Amino acid sequence: DQQVKQNSPSLSVQEGRISILNCDYTNSMFDYFLWYKKYPAEGPTFLISISSIKDKNEDGRFTVFLNKSAKHLSLHIVPSQPGDSAVYFCAASMDSNYQLIWGAGTKLIIKP
Amino acid sequence: GAGVSQSPRYKVAKRGQDVALRCDPISGHVSLFWYQQALGQGPEFLTYFQNEAQLDKSGLPSDRFFAERPEGSVSTLKIQRTQQEDSAVYLCASSEGTSVETQYFGPGTRLLVL
Repeated sequence: DQQVKQNSPSLSVQEGRISILNCDYTNSMFDYFLWYKKYPAEGPTFLISISSIKDKNEDGRFTVFLNKSAKHLSLHIVPSQPGDSAVYFCAASMDSNYQLIWGAGTKLIIKP
Repeated sequence: GAGVSQSPRYKVAKRGQDVALRCDPISGHVSLFWYQQALGQGPEFLTYFQNEAQLDKSGLPSDRFFAERPEGSVSTLKIQRTQQEDSAVYLCASSEGTSVETQYFGPGTRLLVL
């Protein structure tokens, strides 16, 4: 049973517009959530995180929103740039533990 | 600066063959993690080292999988008697501490078992 789900395998967005990547989770014990970005032939790189005591965290063009009641989080990228084309993974942990539970990823394609 | 490196980048093995995958973490990083990523899935935790001590091996799928980090730097993940379901990308990550945010990942080793 997947505890972290990214239901969209891929997403195509026009350059300059907003990209919204979604992630759902089932375990209410998760209290820390992260987004990673992965380019082909490279390992994932940490992008942004959010603790369950917050509902929003912003870093430049990237904002993560957390809706605990819906067990849903989203990553907003505004404005989207060609370099944002990558696979984005959502991950969750309990007690900020190093053991992360990962989603399957969403491939984001930014069209020029 | 040097990041996490892994070798080989690609490995093709015949079923039943033993393989060894190497990870060179960032110099000075105390923590080292191994993950397995099956095709179309996210990474799954395998094992965690703090220096030379293997503190958590709860994610290793079977006793055919063995990891070591004898001097607290380079680590090797060994898979004995490989099977087709072992085909995956094996990712290594290192960090100064244990924070999930500060894990730096290597490019991975893609293992294909025929």
